[in-house]
Amino acid sequence: GDSVTQMEGPVTLSEEAFLTINCTYTATGYPSLFWYVQYPGEGLQLLLKATKADDKGSNKGFEATYRKETTSFHLEKGSVQVSDSAVYFCALSAMDTGRRALTFGSGTRLQVQP
Amino acid sequence: DAGVIQSPRHEVTEMGQEVTLRCKPISGHNSLFWYRQTMMRGLELLIYFNNNVPIDDSGMPEDRFSAKMPNASFSTLKIQPSEPRDSAVYFCASSLAPRGRGTEAFFGQGTRLTVV
Repeated sequence: GDSVTQMEGPVTLSEEAFLTINCTYTATGYPSLFWYVQYPGEGLQLLLKATKADDKGSNKGFEATYRKETTSFHLEKGSVQVSDSAVYFCALSAMDTGRRALTFGSGTRLQVQP
Repeated sequence: DAGVIQSPRHEVTEMGQEVTLRCKPISGHNSLFWYRQTMMRGLELLIYFNNNVPIDDSGMPEDRFSAKMPNASFSTLKIQPSEPRDSAVYFCASSLAPRGRGTEAFFGQGTRLTVV
């Protein structure tokens, strides 16, 4: 079945540091890929997405590139802020199989210190 | 649009009681999902509906759990009887069935359920 693997957290960084959160996937179809962010006490919000190989999703300074050859979708940001502290989830939607529900990774907690 | 609306935001109940969680999806969306989030198991898909019809309920943990979607603007998740291990945050999400790729889901704020 479909699955998403994320790096374990927490990831602790100082403000303005470079961020990478690794994500790899296994899917029977040709999936669309997503990053969601969850702030404390809130629901998940879509951060960015990519729907085909070599697409780059970007939003709020975050970027991720859909790498079909390595089945990866790593999240990056050049300079993190304290306000970026949250839990980040990688997810896929395998459209070819008709399964519309998202499959999520386990989440990676990011803590940014001033 | 107000987004996906869930109620209540918090629910504390005693073991054995019936619990009903409610969800109003985004207007015009035709897929609705119920997820459960716990520290131990992360985000789990419980059930999803397409055009008000349950498509996949394989994630519903036991017969104590049931979900309905009587119309396009309302869904319920019921637990009867509730048990302490049901304590979790329950999320409802909705999406628009795709014409192509890239179907993201929009999440509600969640219901934090505590069964004592």
